[in-house]
Amino acid sequence: GAVVSQHPSRVICKSGTSVKIECRSLDFQATTMFWYRQFPKKSLMLMATSNEGSKATYEQGVEKDKFLINHASLTLSTLTVTSAHPEDSSFYICSAPATGERGYTFGSGTRLTVV
Amino acid sequence: GNSVTQMEGPVTLSEEAFLTINCTYTATGYPSLFWYVQYPGEGLQLLLKATKADDKGSNKGFEATYRKETTSFHLEKGSVQVSDSAVYFCALSEGDYKLSFGAGTTVTVRA
Repeated sequence: GAVVSQHPSRVICKSGTSVKIECRSLDFQATTMFWYRQFPKKSLMLMATSNEGSKATYEQGVEKDKFLINHASLTLSTLTVTSAHPEDSSFYICSAPATGERGYTFGSGTRLTVV
Repeated sequence: GNSVTQMEGPVTLSEEAFLTINCTYTATGYPSLFWYVQYPGEGLQLLLKATKADDKGSNKGFEATYRKETTSFHLEKGSVQVSDSAVYFCALSEGDYKLSFGAGTTVTVRA
């Protein structure tokens, strides 16, 4: 149980375009979703926390107008990278709090490449 | 702020070899410590955790002990298998559900 499905797993886009990444909780309701970003050989960095029905909370230094987060339902949170540039190329991963010993459940991640 | 430093990879081992991945942390309070594993094409999965000093987390033959005096949480396994090939992440949390991760260590086990 407590599975988060993340799509797409890989995406290549042109500079200036926007890319949407989806995370769906398949068998539970995720009132909160965490969005992380990982640069090569660097730590996963928390970008923002989305809460169903309210505005996302962004970590310091993360541009909220560039990384649009929507959490309109209890089973879907989306991250849209707007006007993407090559420096936005990274690995993005979502996570939701899960009940029980596991604590958190993670999506499988999205590798974004902006060319 | 909180931070986690783990040894850089990649690490390549033969089956049945001993594996150690070092992890040290910086935290303002008394964090919980975690090791997550990511197998190819899958999401991160909790491997083990420890919530207070001197606790030992264990799972699937892996162990890690919460050492407050050295601010460490090193991961060990005595005899690795090919199926242990994955990326391993050390992480900490101070109770607000926000995880601070290390950079991840890629481990490849050869038959």
